[in-house]
Amino acid sequence: AQKVTQAQTEISVVEKEDVTLDCVYETRDTTYYLFWYKQPPSGELVFLIRRNSFDEQNEISGRYSWNFQKSTSSFNFTITASQVVDSAVYFCALSEAIQGAQKLVFGQGTRLTINP
Amino acid sequence: DSGVTQTPKHLITATGQRVTLRCSPRSGDLSVYWYQQSLDQGLQFLIQYYNGEERAKGNILERFSAQQFPDLHSELNLSSLELGDSALYFCASSPGSRYDEQFFGPGTRLTVL
Repeated sequence: AQKVTQAQTEISVVEKEDVTLDCVYETRDTTYYLFWYKQPPSGELVFLIRRNSFDEQNEISGRYSWNFQKSTSSFNFTITASQVVDSAVYFCALSEAIQGAQKLVFGQGTRLTINP
Repeated sequence: DSGVTQTPKHLITATGQRVTLRCSPRSGDLSVYWYQQSLDQGLQFLIQYYNGEERAKGNILERFSAQQFPDLHSELNLSSLELGDSALYFCASSPGSRYDEQFFGPGTRLTVL
């Protein structure tokens, strides 16, 4: 069965530091998608990125970057020059295809606190 | 704002009761998904509907049921509620049935007393 592990339960850094959130996944599918979502204190889940299993190029969006490595089954997320507004719980997720449908399997989340 | 709406935002009820959570997907999205977020279980997939038909089931209890209507909105019905059903219930939507990014609504926080 699919599994996503976010080993870091909580991370606390000082503003402007760089921080990397780790995500390791397990799947037997050859085609799959990986996602990151952000859950700020207000509670909603905000989509950040989707990456398919055939595209191992790193992605950069402003201060956010993602490193996908199939060889180590990892999809890590780095925030550069962190800001207090980045404080949130971050979830990594893996799509699991089920008979023409899909579900997202989420990791347990990493609570990131950025201190001023 | 993801474009997915959920009502109500908060719901407080007693054990043994029945409640209905409502979700309207983003315009044009045909799939609706329901997830439960609790402290002990994390984010768990419950069920997916695509264009009115059930497509996938996850860890959904028999006391729970859902449906998607012709206008594509969806309802999640929770009955014989127990204290352990207290959680944040999210609805998400996507254009297709597979591999799309899912956009989440703001959630309904259910408290069972």
